[in-house]
Amino acid sequence: GAGVSQSPSNKVTEKGKDVELRCDPISGHTALYWYRQSLGQGLEFLIYFQGNSAPDKSGLPSDRFSAERTGGSVSTLTIQRTQQEDSAVYLCASSLERTGDRPFFGPGTRLTVL
Amino acid sequence: KNQVEQSPQSLIILEGKNCTLQCNYTVSPFSNLRWYKQDTGRGPVSLTIMTFSENTKSNGRYTATLDADTKQSSLHITASQLSDSASYICVVSPERGSGYSTLTFGKGTMLLVSP
Repeated sequence: GAGVSQSPSNKVTEKGKDVELRCDPISGHTALYWYRQSLGQGLEFLIYFQGNSAPDKSGLPSDRFSAERTGGSVSTLTIQRTQQEDSAVYLCASSLERTGDRPFFGPGTRLTVL
Repeated sequence: KNQVEQSPQSLIILEGKNCTLQCNYTVSPFSNLRWYKQDTGRGPVSLTIMTFSENTKSNGRYTATLDADTKQSSLHITASQLSDSASYICVVSPERGSGYSTLTFGKGTMLLVSP
C-alpha cells in the first residue's frame, strides 16, 4: 500500500496479558516512530528507529514496553503484563529521514486493557 | 526542554465562521513546524509545513502563519465546514544535527464545527 499501515486496528485485552502491535511503514522510509495518545492527551513519544542506528528508547514508559524493527522495515511494539493505564491509541509514523522530513502516520491501534 | 503549547484546548464555532488556533513552541534550534489534522479514530494528516524563513502558507481554507522570533504559529480556518471538526496538532521539528531525535507535539486543539 501507499501509506503506513498498522494492525490490529483495535485490541482488547485483559490486564496482565502481553500484546503485540505491528507497523508497516512506507517503503523506503528509514525513520520510524511509535507514539501513544491517551484519551484527551497529546501524542507521547515512545521510541524511534533510524536505519541501522541504535533506537532512541527514551520515551518508553517502563521496561514492560519494547519494540523491534526487523530488516529496517516492519516494526513491532510489545507491551508485557499490560495495565489499565496502557489503554491508548498507539500511532506509528515513518519518514524518509530523521529530522525535518514529513512523517506520515498510520491509522493507529486502539488498545483497551480491561 | 523542548515544548509545544497549543490554545485553546477546545473550540466550538458555527458553520461558516472563521477561527484561529495558536501554537507556541520552545524548540531550539528549529527546523520546521507542521500543522496536522486528526479526525476521530484516524492518524494525523499533515496540513501545512513552515520553515524558519516562511511567514505564511495557505492550503485551501487553511492559512498558517509563523513568527520565528517570538516562536509562535497560528492556523486560521476560513468559512468553516462541518468536516473541519477534528483535533489540530502543532508539531515542531528540531534542526538536523542538533542532537534531538524526536519531533515535539502539542496536545492539540479540539475543534467542533456546529451546524
